[in-house]
Formats: sequence, structure tokens, C-alpha cells
Amino acid sequence: AQSVTQLGSHVSVSEGALVLLRCNYSSSVPPYLFWYVQYPNQGLQLLLKYTSAATLVKGINGFEAEFKKSETSFHLTKPSAHMSDAAEYFCAVSLNTNAGKSTFGDGTTLTVKP
Amino acid sequence: NAGVTQTPKFQVLKTGQSMTLQCAQDMNHNSMYWYRQDPGMGLRLIYYSASEGTTDKGEVPNGYNVSRLNKREFSLRLESAAPSQTSVYFCASKKGTAPYEQYFGPGTRLTVT
Repeated sequence: AQSVTQLGSHVSVSEGALVLLRCNYSSSVPPYLFWYVQYPNQGLQLLLKYTSAATLVKGINGFEAEFKKSETSFHLTKPSAHMSDAAEYFCAVSLNTNAGKSTFGDGTTLTVKP
Repeated sequence: NAGVTQTPKFQVLKTGQSMTLQCAQDMNHNSMYWYRQDPGMGLRLIYYSASEGTTDKGEVPNGYNVSRLNKREFSLRLESAAPSQTSVYFCASKKGTAPYEQYFGPGTRLTVT
């Protein structure tokens, strides 16, 4: 079984401030973890993924995430927010079983204030 | 490469009407998925097809049927639409049954009145 919890449905930061979006997972076997971004009226696109190699994963647009097994977390960070980062972000977990289906979190809407 | 395409982009139905949402991918992926997205509820899996010729129920299959027409195409049918099916529908594909990343279409916004 697998599940994902995203803490905070809405996060607001000022332009240039640190972005931190939280994701905790639960899985019975080693997980594969993903962050997707969804811009308004578009589909989801992959931001970054953890597949059991390096625990610190770098993605597109300056985002990165760190896999912490002891905390069952995979939080997404970016040192300095840009206005263009305003979007909805989804954390997802997938296992190497059950046809590799993904379970998505409820999403976090990021607002960036000028 | 067009990636994953979906038609139509928007649709309004009356209660009881039927319709089929079309999805196609040109990445030679084996697995395809249909999700619905509702505010505050993330993405919920309706049906998936792990490979050509197979389909399975996801988390919320009631009121829907699917057809994996060939490796490229995976359609979702609403036989008798209900207001509870008002949602945004996304099709996605991925390479195979291993936990690869998924590639999403642009979505279909469906309103049932």
C-alpha cells in the first residue's frame, strides 16, 4: 500500500524568498517519488523524481528535493521564488509493484507575491 | 512529437447523455491512465491499461468504461452522465509497468448539467 500527504494546500511566498513544499509518504516497500507541476489550464509535467539513487534530487527550474527515509519525507525546495513558479504542485509515490501505479497527493497551490 | 493529446478540450453534457473522451500518445508507451481532478482532491485514478489489450479499474471506476483501442489510443466513455462527473479529466501514459514518470495530456473540462 502507498499514500502521500502534502502538508498545506496553499503556500504563499514573496518573490526571492525560499520555497518549501512538504510531502510525506507511506509505503510498504522502497518508494519511487515524484514532484509534478501544473500551470493553469494545463496538464501535469514532471519537475523531478527520486528512484533510489542520490537522495538529493535536482529538477527543472531550480527546484530540488531530498529523500529522507527516517522522516518518510520528500520535501520540495527552491532557494529563490520567481513569479513564474506560481502553480499547483503534486507529490506522487509509486512502487515497483502493482503495475507501477502512482498515488498523488492533494496538491499545494503556490502563490508568489511581488 | 505531440506527446499525449486529448479531445475534446471542453464539453458540456446534460444529465443522462453519453460521450467518449479520446486520448492518444505517440511515445510508444505501454501503459496508459485516465484520471479525474477535482478541487482539493488531487488526481484520482479511474481506469488504467498496463499494456495493449488489458484494462483495470482504478480508485473511482463507477459510471465509466474504457477501451484500449491499440497501443496509441485509450478512450474513456461515460454512458449516462451525472452532475457528479463534472470534473477535469486527464489522460497519461508511461513507458511500462515499472514506476517511471507519467506524461500527461492537456485535459478535458467536462460539465454535466
